[in-house]
Amino acid sequence: GEDVEQSLFLSVREGDSSVINCTYTDSSSTYLYWYKQEPGAGLQLLTYIFSNMDMKQDQRLTVLLNKKDKHLSLRIADTQTGDSAIYFCASGGDNRLAFGKGNQVVVIP
Amino acid sequence: GAVVSQHPSWVICKSGTSVKIECRSLDFQATTMFWYRQFPKQSLMLMATSNEGSKATYEQGVEKDKFLINHASLTLSTLTVTSAHPEDSSFYICSARGMEGKTEAFFGQGTRLTVV
Repeated sequence: GEDVEQSLFLSVREGDSSVINCTYTDSSSTYLYWYKQEPGAGLQLLTYIFSNMDMKQDQRLTVLLNKKDKHLSLRIADTQTGDSAIYFCASGGDNRLAFGKGNQVVVIP
Repeated sequence: GAVVSQHPSWVICKSGTSVKIECRSLDFQATTMFWYRQFPKQSLMLMATSNEGSKATYEQGVEKDKFLINHASLTLSTLTVTSAHPEDSSFYICSARGMEGKTEAFFGQGTRLTVV
């Protein structure tokens, strides 16, 4: 089955850039997603990238996809305190999504 | 973006009772809804996928008689935890996908269930 791996914890100073990494196993994944979860809340879709793309930029967010290595990363530029949350990557196709364990990002003022 | 609303946000119930959680798509019709369970500091575990008007498809290891899922309309799906036990305490999240074949699935805010 699908498997998605993420590192667990990242602390970053406000204003710096943060990078979160993720690897996945399902090569048939059509889309790769990044979700943000704030404490006690559901998931908010941040951005997604088609599997045939290498990079997608959306304001402060940059997604890089290395399909050969099945590696996905999310770079947050000018990290702000409101970016403190757990970030999940997910891979999937038609219906099913496989989520990573999440990466907690703590922004230090 | 599309809005998915879950109700209640949190619930405390006694062991042995049943609890119903609602998931509504407020501004779009959701042909498919997903129910996830999230343990503390862990990822989301897909419990079941439900399509409007048909029986839900449960993931391996999820008891369908314990976690009853109903998707009677294009805007509402319900998850009923029957005969709840303390080990059922968890964070339950639904997500919904629309009719147009779009890939995005929008998530509800989640329901914190505590069984005492």
